Amino acid sequence: NAGVTQTPKFQVLKTGQSMTLQCAQDMNHEYMSWYRQDPGMGLRLIHYSVGAGITDQGEVPNGYNVSRSTTEDFPLRLLSAAPSQTSVYFCASSFEGTGTYTEAFFGQGTRLTVV
Amino acid sequence: GENVEQHPSTLSVQEGDSAVIKCTYSDSASNYFPWYKQELGKGPQLIIDIRSNVGEKKDQRIAVTLNKTAKHFSLHITETQPEDSAVYFCAASIQSNFGNEKLTFGTGTRLTIIP
Repeated sequence: NAGVTQTPKFQVLKTGQSMTLQCAQDMNHEYMSWYRQDPGMGLRLIHYSVGAGITDQGEVPNGYNVSRSTTEDFPLRLLSAAPSQTSVYFCASSFEGTGTYTEAFFGQGTRLTVV
Repeated sequence: GENVEQHPSTLSVQEGDSAVIKCTYSDSASNYFPWYKQELGKGPQLIIDIRSNVGEKKDQRIAVTLNKTAKHFSLHITETQPEDSAVYFCAASIQSNFGNEKLTFGTGTRLTIIP
């Protein structure tokens, strides 16, 4: 059981480049979310999705885009990378499609550096 | 929106002693309070959680207490061991029919156990 899988683990981008952070889960979870983790600031919610085709903004959505075409996948797109987006990004999933509450499971993270 | 404050930011305790981490929250509608442990290079992992209908929950050496009136909750680790060294995050959310919606995290506590 893989849980939540994030790729890549590390990435260096130049300012202005775009890229997609991948997130996949195999637990039939309806709820998926993206957080960024910065020193001294905990984890802050970027975007979340309560099911395929449904997404919404979190606390810090600017500069990021998401879509949810399947239950399993929830990619995060950086449209035009900026140094302020240097961070560690975590994807999380929870809540089984059968209607059962679960804890939030986190991926291993993607460390992104924008130069 | 919800605001979660966490103290202390760093904590060092002798092996075998107890550690206490405290959090306060602002939204009285919050009803779910998980604690996560994050080891170096890994994603956060749930260690214990509590819902607003109980005041205390215990799991072996770990316990969480909740004071709804004062809007604060605490993590207690007894008989600390070297493997307890990690960063601990508290969080709060309003758990709806969609699961752990919009977790708001504290800023984290780096716990170091001194052998």
